[in-house]
Amino acid sequence: QKEVEQNSGPLSVPEGAIASLNCTYSDRGSQSFFWYRQYSGKSPELIMFIYSNGDKEDGRFTAQLNKASQYVSLLIRDSQPSDSATYLCAGPGGNQFYFGTGTSLTVIP
Amino acid sequence: NAGVTQTPKFRILKIGQSMTLQCAQDMNHNYMYWYRQDPGMGLKLIYYSVGAGITDKGEVPNGYNVSRSTTEDFPLRLELAAPSQTSVYFCASGEGDEQFFGPGTRLTVL
Repeated sequence: QKEVEQNSGPLSVPEGAIASLNCTYSDRGSQSFFWYRQYSGKSPELIMFIYSNGDKEDGRFTAQLNKASQYVSLLIRDSQPSDSATYLCAGPGGNQFYFGTGTSLTVIP
Repeated sequence: NAGVTQTPKFRILKIGQSMTLQCAQDMNHNYMYWYRQDPGMGLKLIYYSVGAGITDKGEVPNGYNVSRSTTEDFPLRLELAAPSQTSVYFCASGEGDEQFFGPGTRLTVL
């Protein structure tokens, strides 16, 4: 069974710091990964996706994919209190998506 | 565009009752999904559809049924509610890899 695991968390960082969120996956054939942000009581929203090895930057967010290590991460620079949420990583398998259990991030003002 | 809409927002069921969770999207997406999210957990796929008339099981389909008669609508049916089905249910739609989620239905089975 394809699995996506998020083992870290909950995570607390001070405002302005870098938050690092990590995810591992079991399917070596996976080609793409997605990071969703979910505020408490709300639905998930897509914030980043990455298809190739290396880094992808979008504003304060950087996604990193290492296919050899089957590892994907999300870095949030200059963390803000508004970044406090649960972050879910997801990988596709056929027509389905497999989500990790999420990492709760709290940014302390 | 309303995006993905779900009704109801909240529902309490008694054990053995049945209900249908409604989901509609106005983005003309072929792919639609039903997930459940238990407290502190990620999303588990219940059923998905790749187009009108085509549905398939996800990770946790037992106790649920779906239909997809139109591109817009993807209702989820619970036939005999059980306490284990207490959860938040999210419907999503998408094309390619991105999924857009509805606001969710919080279901409690007592």
